[in-house]
Amino acid sequence: GQQLNQSPQSMFIQEGEDVSMNCTSSSIFNTWLWYKQDPGEGPVLLIALYKAGELTSNGRLTAQFGITRKDSFLNISASIPSDVGIYFCAGPGSGNTGKLIFGQGTTLQVKP
Amino acid sequence: NAGVTQTPKFRVLKTGQSMTLLCAQDMNHEYMYWYRQDPGMGLRLIHYSVGEGTTAKGEVPDGYNVSRLKKQNFLLGLESAAPSQTSVYFCASSRPYASGNTIYFGEGSWLTVV
Repeated sequence: GQQLNQSPQSMFIQEGEDVSMNCTSSSIFNTWLWYKQDPGEGPVLLIALYKAGELTSNGRLTAQFGITRKDSFLNISASIPSDVGIYFCAGPGSGNTGKLIFGQGTTLQVKP
Repeated sequence: NAGVTQTPKFRVLKTGQSMTLLCAQDMNHEYMYWYRQDPGMGLRLIHYSVGEGTTAKGEVPDGYNVSRLKKQNFLLGLESAAPSQTSVYFCASSRPYASGNTIYFGEGSWLTVV
């Protein structure tokens, strides 16, 4: 079945550093979504990507839709303490039903 | 703006007890979903619904039942709770899948089965 693999599983960085994480799949996805989950909250959409090769920014966040359509990358520049949380990549499951397949998540901790 | 609301937020159950989680959305979304989140496993789809009166199985449906009697509500039931069902449960809703699809999540329900 469809699976998304995220790496790294966790990161512990210093405030001000840049962060990179990625998501890969064995199958092609036509949409890539990146979510952030704050502690004790539900996931919130950060960036949505709809075209291979697309590069989209949202403030300090930049995400790219891989050309092969089997991967995506999320970069966070100049990290701040409020960037702490779990970052999930997601893509549409099979069938036109709107359900999503999620990666395992990358847990980010930022040291002030 | 309420968005997606889940109740209860926290619950402790004994093995074998039953309970129902309620999800309500005020965005007139057709699609609704129940996910569970476990450490290191991301979110896994339990059941989903593409419209009032319809439900379908997701990735991990065993041990759960759902009902969508009203468009705005999606109920998740555990008939006989097991410790393996200790998890955080998230409800979500969306418009029918399209290029601009966005799924909105509730804040989560923490369930512990002892």
